[in-house]
Amino acid sequence: KQEVTQIPAALSVPEGENLVLNCSFTDSAIYNLQWFRQDPGKGLTSLLLIQSSQREQTSGRLNASLDKSSGRSTLYIAASQPGDSATYLCAGGRDFNKFYFGSGTKLNVKP
Amino acid sequence: EAQVTQNPRYLITVTGKKLTVTCSQNMNHEYMSWYRQDPGLGLRQIYYSMNVEVTDKGDVPEGYKVSRKEKRNFPLILESPSPNQTSLYFCASRVRGSNQPQHFGDGTRLSIL
Repeated sequence: KQEVTQIPAALSVPEGENLVLNCSFTDSAIYNLQWFRQDPGKGLTSLLLIQSSQREQTSGRLNASLDKSSGRSTLYIAASQPGDSATYLCAGGRDFNKFYFGSGTKLNVKP
Repeated sequence: EAQVTQNPRYLITVTGKKLTVTCSQNMNHEYMSWYRQDPGLGLRQIYYSMNVEVTDKGDVPEGYKVSRKEKRNFPLILESPSPNQTSLYFCASRVRGSNQPQHFGDGTRLSIL
């Protein structure tokens, strides 16, 4: 069974900072790794998906990397904005049917 | 608009009273899945379905049932709810067998007294 850990559990930064969110997993035979954003009272929004054959994906100010050998993924957010405040979740699995989520990093970007 | 719709959004009920949470998607997705989210535990997968009449257990299936009679609908059934099933539930869908992201509903908050 895949265990997914996210550190830190919460993070508060001033606007404009670059920041890194961490995700570690126990099973290196990961099929793909996804990063999601969750806003209060809402479902999850997919941000980036890294396939097992890839090492990183980029979308705007977001960059996610995957290192299967070390069992880690990072989400880099450049020039953070108050609108980035949300909980960020990573999820992965051995196949594309079963998914294991981390418990998330709650990000607060202060104006 | 592409969406996954869950109903109800909120429900307070009592132990043992059967309930169904509906999930419907309008994107013609083959794959659908149910998760529960609890503080400190993240999201855990309950059941998933790869297509009509094809379902399989996730990580925490005990106490739940599902059915997939139509492609667009994937209801979650609690035959005899108990307080430990109090949680926030999410339904998701995705194109089958691909590396496409899952689309999530807005969640259903269940409280079982």
